[in-house]
Amino acid sequence: EVQLVESGGGLVEPGGSLRLSCAASGFIFDTQSMNWVRRAPGKGLEWVSYISSGSSYIFYADSVKGRFTISRDNAKTSLYLQMNSLRPEDTAMYYCAKNRLPGVHEAFDIWGQGTMVTVSS
Amino acid sequence: QSALTQPASVSGSPGQSITISCTGTSSDIGGNNYVSWYQQNPGKAPRLMIYEVSNRPSGVSDRFSGSKSGSTASLTISGLQAEDEADYYCTSYISSSSHYVVFGGGTKLTVL
Repeated sequence: EVQLVESGGGLVEPGGSLRLSCAASGFIFDTQSMNWVRRAPGKGLEWVSYISSGSSYIFYADSVKGRFTISRDNAKTSLYLQMNSLRPEDTAMYYCAKNRLPGVHEAFDIWGQGTMVTVSS
Repeated sequence: QSALTQPASVSGSPGQSITISCTGTSSDIGGNNYVSWYQQNPGKAPRLMIYEVSNRPSGVSDRFSGSKSGSTASLTISGLQAEDEADYYCTSYISSSSHYVVFGGGTKLTVL
């Protein structure tokens, strides 16, 4: 079964850091590009970041550029999101999502169930 | 990175058809065919319903169809069923000096 399982969310104070993880299974992870997408409470979905299969291409939304870092470990079939300088507006459910085919332009065909990040003092 | 524009809500009765619009610009929807649609139920992960404007993934009902005209994409659901009640999001790729993806604000579909 194709599956993505996120972890690492929690409550953090403004200015703090958090590292999210996404464990992948059921597909050949090192051939697929991956993303992080978030949904803030009461708001819509927002694309956060993309990483190509071999980590050669990495892109970020302007809202997180310079604060978040996406990475992957193909040997561990895992995706990560290091979040620094967190702000209250980063409070959201964070989903990892696989592209249907390799490429940032491709649709997201597999999603995890999400991990909640709350930034509050 | 401005969000694509969707109506906040649409509604329809069982058996009817509804269309959700998604308006962008020549930089996103109007500039490529990488438009996709997602369905999200409360507390659940989003589900891909349409990719590349009008293609359905395996397992998605043929009651769901997508189209595009200029800078506006549309999702049509025919033969509405109670189970279709959910939030729907469009998304488009934007190719610029900084590659990125933009979502619409989401549309709440209510089946009356």
